Amino acid sequence: DARVTQTPRHKVTEMGQEVTMRCQPILGHNTVFWYRQTMMQGLELLAYFRNRAPLDDSGMPKDRFSAEMPDATLATLKIQPSEPRDSAVYFCASGLGSVNTQYFGPGTRLTVL
Amino acid sequence: QKEVEQNSGPLSVPEGAIASLNCTYSDRGSQSFFWYRQYSGKSPELIMFIYSNGDKEDGRFTAQLNKASQYVSLLIRDSQPSDSATYLCAVNVQAGTALIFGKGTTLSVSS
Repeated sequence: DARVTQTPRHKVTEMGQEVTMRCQPILGHNTVFWYRQTMMQGLELLAYFRNRAPLDDSGMPKDRFSAEMPDATLATLKIQPSEPRDSAVYFCASGLGSVNTQYFGPGTRLTVL
Repeated sequence: QKEVEQNSGPLSVPEGAIASLNCTYSDRGSQSFFWYRQYSGKSPELIMFIYSNGDKEDGRFTAQLNKASQYVSLLIRDSQPSDSATYLCAVNVQAGTALIFGKGTTLSVSS
C-alpha cells in the first residue's frame, strides 16, 4: 500500500528552536509539495519540487524556512528559528509531474510555545 | 491574487438527502478542479477531479463545472453520516503544479 510518510507526526517546541520535518514521497513520484494548514488561512502552498529541483517556494518565509530534497526519497522542511505563528499542520504531498493527482501524507502537527 | 472561495458552513443535511457544495475561483486560466474530503485531524483525500465543462459522476458524487461562471460544485446523493467532513475545493493552472485551495465547507449529515 503506497503512501506518503511524514515524521514526526507531532512536535512541540519552544520559540527560537530549530524544527525539521521529513517526508518520504511515494516511490516513483517525482513531484513533492509542502503545504501548511491553519484555521485562519486554510491550506497554503509553501514550496514544491520536481525531480528534486525547487520549482516554487514563493509561499515560504525565506528568512526562517528552508526546503530541500537531498535525494528522491526524502524531502525536508526546516524552520530556524521557530515562532509561535508557525504553529500549524504541515502536509507533504507527492505526485507524478504530468498527472494531477496528489497524495497527501498524514501531516506534522507543530506547536511552537 | 488567485483565490478559491467556499462557504465555510456548516452545511447540515439529513441522512439520505442531497448535499450541494459550491466553490468559485478567480483565475480564468484555471484548468483542473478538485474536490478533497478531510476528516477532523486527518489529511485531505481526493474525491474527484474535473477538467471539462459539465458534469462528472462517480458513485454518489457528481462534480459540476461551469468555466464561464468560474463555478464548481459537488453534489453528494444519499448523504450518509460518514460523509460528515470538511470538503476542500482546489484548482490549478497546469497538470502537476501546486493546488490553490479554498478554506473548505464543513458538512454535517444527521441520522
